[in-house]
Amino acid sequence: GENVEQHPSTLSVQEGDSAVIKCTYSDSASNYFPWYKQELGKRPQLIIDIRSNVGEKKDQRIAVTLNKTAKHFSLHITETQPEDSAVYFCAASQVSGTSYGKLTFGQGTILTVHP
Amino acid sequence: ETGVTQTPRHLVMGMTNKKSLKCEQHLGHNAMYWYKQSAKKPLELMFVYNFKEQTENNSVPSRFSPECPNSSHLFLHLHTLQPEDSALYLCASSQAGTSGSVDTQYFGPGTRLTVL
Repeated sequence: GENVEQHPSTLSVQEGDSAVIKCTYSDSASNYFPWYKQELGKRPQLIIDIRSNVGEKKDQRIAVTLNKTAKHFSLHITETQPEDSAVYFCAASQVSGTSYGKLTFGQGTILTVHP
Repeated sequence: ETGVTQTPRHLVMGMTNKKSLKCEQHLGHNAMYWYKQSAKKPLELMFVYNFKEQTENNSVPSRFSPECPNSSHLFLHLHTLQPEDSALYLCASSQAGTSGSVDTQYFGPGTRLTVL
């Protein structure tokens, strides 16, 4: 089955700095890679996702890059703010036709942004 | 509340108790999921229901018993649990089945379960 490794497990940055979280996956058939943000005591929420036919996707201060050959993808947050502090999870799944998405999650990264 | 709701939000139970967790989605989705979230572990998929049929059981002990009476409701029946089952149990839903689509999963707020 799929295995997703996520690094680092904790990340501390100063407000305004950039933060990068990296994930690797094992199953070359995986084609959908979402990122979830989970604030303390709250539910995971999708912040950005990327499909395997795209190499990069941006949404304001957040971007995700995908290297299919190396089987890794990364989350980039620029101009970090204290409200970006949360646990971030990457995930991978193979989505096709009528199938549901069986997400395999990484271990999570605790991001702390210091004012 | 819209989206995915879960009740109760907190539950404390003894090892001999029987309790049920409830999940309801108001998004018109056709797939529902149970996840377990323990400290310092990745989210673990437990069960998947697609069009009310269980399509995934990720080697979950039989003391956890899911039920999906319709595409909007999902239950997790608990009995004779162990202290190590204490965790946050998250429900999610998605819309699967459209060719070429990606089925974003939307999570509920979770039930914080403590087994004494």
